[in-house]
Amino acid sequence: GQNIDQPTEMTATEGAIVQINCTYQTSGFNGLFWYQQHAGEAPTFLSYNVLDGLEEKGRFSSFLSRSKGYSYLLLKELQMKDSASYLCAVMDSNYQLIWGAGTKLIIKP
Amino acid sequence: DAGITQSPRYKITETGRQVTLMCHQTWSHSYMFWYRQDLGHGLRLIYYSAAADITDKGEVPDGYVVSRSKTENFPLTLESATRSQTSVYFCASSEREAYNEQFFGPGTRLTVL
Repeated sequence: GQNIDQPTEMTATEGAIVQINCTYQTSGFNGLFWYQQHAGEAPTFLSYNVLDGLEEKGRFSSFLSRSKGYSYLLLKELQMKDSASYLCAVMDSNYQLIWGAGTKLIIKP
Repeated sequence: DAGITQSPRYKITETGRQVTLMCHQTWSHSYMFWYRQDLGHGLRLIYYSAAADITDKGEVPDGYVVSRSKTENFPLTLESATRSQTSVYFCASSEREAYNEQFFGPGTRLTVL
């Protein structure tokens, strides 16, 4: 079966750095997406990785290792507004997105 | 620029009733998707559409019907609502099938009593 695993919840301090991990087992691989979802709102796109390595975009970076079936999202200089759920999704061989259940990130002052 | 909209935003209905959730996008994106989101689960694909008059089943299609007569609209119908269909429903669109981000509507929170 297809499976995406990410921690259910994480807590971090304002101004700090946090790494959210995602491991996957899917039928084929056509890229990995990270989305942010604030409570009661729609998911919004953060990043896309299809090749191994690190993609940096401002305070957010995303890393992919296809051989290990592993990705992480790195958030730097955390702000209170970063409190949200972070969703990992993999595009499989049928070009369908398989979603993890999301990681709820709580930021404390 | 409205983007992608859904209506209604909230709906309460009773078991056995038919319910239609509307989705409209203004980008002329080819691909449209319907997901449901439940606590403890990731987003699950119900149906998707590659273009007008082309639809296909996703992971959890049972109990749902879709149509797409126009590129911009993609309604989702629950033919006979059940309590297990209580969920938050998101419509999304993307320009291409692969390698493209999906843009999500604000969601419809549906409660089936």
